[in-house]
Amino acid sequence: GQNIDQPTEMTATEGAIVQINCTYQTSGFNGLFWYQQHAGEAPTFLSYNVLDGLEEKGRFSSFLSRSKGYSYLLLKELQMKDSASYLCAVRDRGTGGFKTIFGAGTRLFVKA
Amino acid sequence: DAEITQSPRHKITETGRQVTLACHQTWNHNNMFWYRQDLGHGLRLIHYSYGVQDTNKGEVSDGYSVSRSNTEDLPLTLESAASSQTSVYFCASSESNAGLGYEQYFGPGTRLTVT
Repeated sequence: GQNIDQPTEMTATEGAIVQINCTYQTSGFNGLFWYQQHAGEAPTFLSYNVLDGLEEKGRFSSFLSRSKGYSYLLLKELQMKDSASYLCAVRDRGTGGFKTIFGAGTRLFVKA
Repeated sequence: DAEITQSPRHKITETGRQVTLACHQTWNHNNMFWYRQDLGHGLRLIHYSYGVQDTNKGEVSDGYSVSRSNTEDLPLTLESAASSQTSVYFCASSESNAGLGYEQYFGPGTRLTVT
């Protein structure tokens, strides 16, 4: 089957660094996405990893280890506007083609 | 600018009624998706389409149907609305490429309440 786990909530301080972890189990792994979703809004794309290693994009970085079924999203120099839910999603190749399976999301609270 | 829109944004309906949620994208994307989002469950795939006349069931498709008659639209129909279908519904689209994972662009969502 397919399973994605990430912490339900995290709290961090403005200016600090926070790491949001995601572990997954899929049979046909074909890439991992991170999305950001502010309350009451639609998810927006942050990053995509298909090979092992770190992808850096400004204040946000995403890491993938396929052998461990593990990814993390690293947010640096936290700002209040980073308070949002962060969704880990895995692209899986099954008999019906490619599907993207989403985790339940991690709600990040950034405090002053 | 290209976009993806959903209508209505809010809908209240009664149990047993048929409801159709509209999704329209101007990205010219072949792939379109419908998700529902409930507290504690994240986004769950209802139906998806890889192109005109193509539709596929997702993990929570019971009670829902879709049709794809053109590239731009993928309407979602609740055949007989149930209280368990009260949720926020998101439509999304992406480019098609079997070998690469393109990100999905999401519509603003439709909040549906079934009373």
